[in-house]
Amino acid sequence: GAVVSQHPSRVICKSGTSVKIECRSLDFQATTMFWYRQFPKKSLMLMATSNEGSKATYEQGVEKDKFLINHASLTLSTLTVTSAHPEDSSFYICSAPGWSETQYFGPGTRLLVL
Amino acid sequence: QKEVEQDPGPLSVPEGAIVSLNCTYSNSAFQYFMWYRQYSRKGPELLMYTYSSGNKEDGRFTAQVDKSSKYISLFIRDSQPSDSATYLCAMIENSSASKIIFGSGTRLSIRP
Repeated sequence: GAVVSQHPSRVICKSGTSVKIECRSLDFQATTMFWYRQFPKKSLMLMATSNEGSKATYEQGVEKDKFLINHASLTLSTLTVTSAHPEDSSFYICSAPGWSETQYFGPGTRLLVL
Repeated sequence: QKEVEQDPGPLSVPEGAIVSLNCTYSNSAFQYFMWYRQYSRKGPELLMYTYSSGNKEDGRFTAQVDKSSKYISLFIRDSQPSDSATYLCAMIENSSASKIIFGSGTRLSIRP
């Protein structure tokens, strides 16, 4: 099946720094990618929809200036957490549309902000 | 009320048991129903996909959708320790512009 990769898989950073997470579709092109956030024992919460060649669409309550999304090509979307704070620590997962209404998920990136 | 309700568990059963996982929902517009399996610290992977009401079987897994009751189920037969994971139900309306709504996930543990 289609594969979506994420890099890094885990990152620890100091408060106030910025962190970039990459999401790649390895064997297919994705004009749209999705970014989710998942807290421990909680469900996936959609943060934004990344659109190749245009601005991302953010969900209500998600700060677009804090979570910068760039869909640089048909196989790469990046999420940058700017001026990270401890409350931004979470598991970030990207996905790309699959067949019908399904999605292919990346392996996730665990962010810990100290 | 959440759009999708799912018991978070944890649910622990002995190896070989039949497992029943369930979700209820409130949005009658949902038409596509999915179950994703998520191992610890990994991304979700699609397990079952169903359109509208009915049953679907794939090996040891059976998905059921009852739209009249707004209730979906996933059954696992002959459960194995490797089935230990978090199972997330997910559903979406009939438009490609709609976003997938996930349940909170049920943590399942199969005891050897």
